[in-house]
Amino acid sequence: DVKVTQSSRYLVKRTGEKVFLECVQDMDHENMFWYRQDPGLGLRLIYFSYDVKMKEKGDIPEGYSVSREKKERFSLILESASTNQTSMYLCASHDRAGGYTFGSGTRLTVV
Amino acid sequence: AQSVTQPDIHITVSEGASLELRCNYSYGATPYLFWYVQSPGQGLQLLLKYFSGDTLVQGIKGFEAEFKRSQSSFNLRKPSVHWSDAAEYFCAVAPTGTASKLTFGTGTRLQVTL
Repeated sequence: DVKVTQSSRYLVKRTGEKVFLECVQDMDHENMFWYRQDPGLGLRLIYFSYDVKMKEKGDIPEGYSVSREKKERFSLILESASTNQTSMYLCASHDRAGGYTFGSGTRLTVV
Repeated sequence: AQSVTQPDIHITVSEGASLELRCNYSYGATPYLFWYVQSPGQGLQLLLKYFSGDTLVQGIKGFEAEFKRSQSSFNLRKPSVHWSDAAEYFCAVAPTGTASKLTFGTGTRLQVTL
C-alpha cells in the first residue's frame, strides 16, 4: 500500500514564525497535493506539484509556499504564520491510475 | 470550474437503518467521482470511486454509490448502518485525465444512534 507520511500530528507555533510542514510518499508518485481542512468548508487545495521542482497554485495559496526538491517529499511553508492559518493540513499523493492517498494530517495551531 | 455540493451538513440515523448521503457536482463533462470517510482525528480513507462503466459502484465497508449523469449526482448508500460508521463523509470530483486535482464537498457528518 502507498504510504503518505506527515512528519507531525500536532504543531503549535507563534504568530510570525516560519513553519514547515513535511510530507513524504513512498511510491514514486509524480503528483502531490496540500489541502487544508476547516469545519464547514471541507478540504481546500493550497498547492500541488506534478513533478520535482514543479508547482501550481490551488484555490487558496495566499500566505503559503511549497518546495519539491525530491520526488518523494513535498513541503508546505507558511512564510509568516498567522492565527487564521490555524487548521488541519492534509497531504495527498496521486497515482496515474487515479487513486489518491492521504496522510493522517497535521493539526497546526498558531498562537 | 468544478464544484461539489453536499446538501446535508449533519445526518442522524439509527443503527441498522439504511443510509443515503447526497452529492451533486458541477462539471462540463463526466468527472472522476470519489467518496471518502474521515473518522475523528484520522486522515481520509477512500470508500469508493467511479471512473467509467457500471454506474453502480461497490466500495469498502458495505457502501455503494450510484452515478446518475442526468442528475449530476453520486449518492452514497448503505443498507444497514453500524455504530462504527459514525464519521464525516466527503464527496470529491476530479477532471478526467492525469495530474488531476480533487475538489471536495463540505462534508456530511453522520451520527449513529443505538
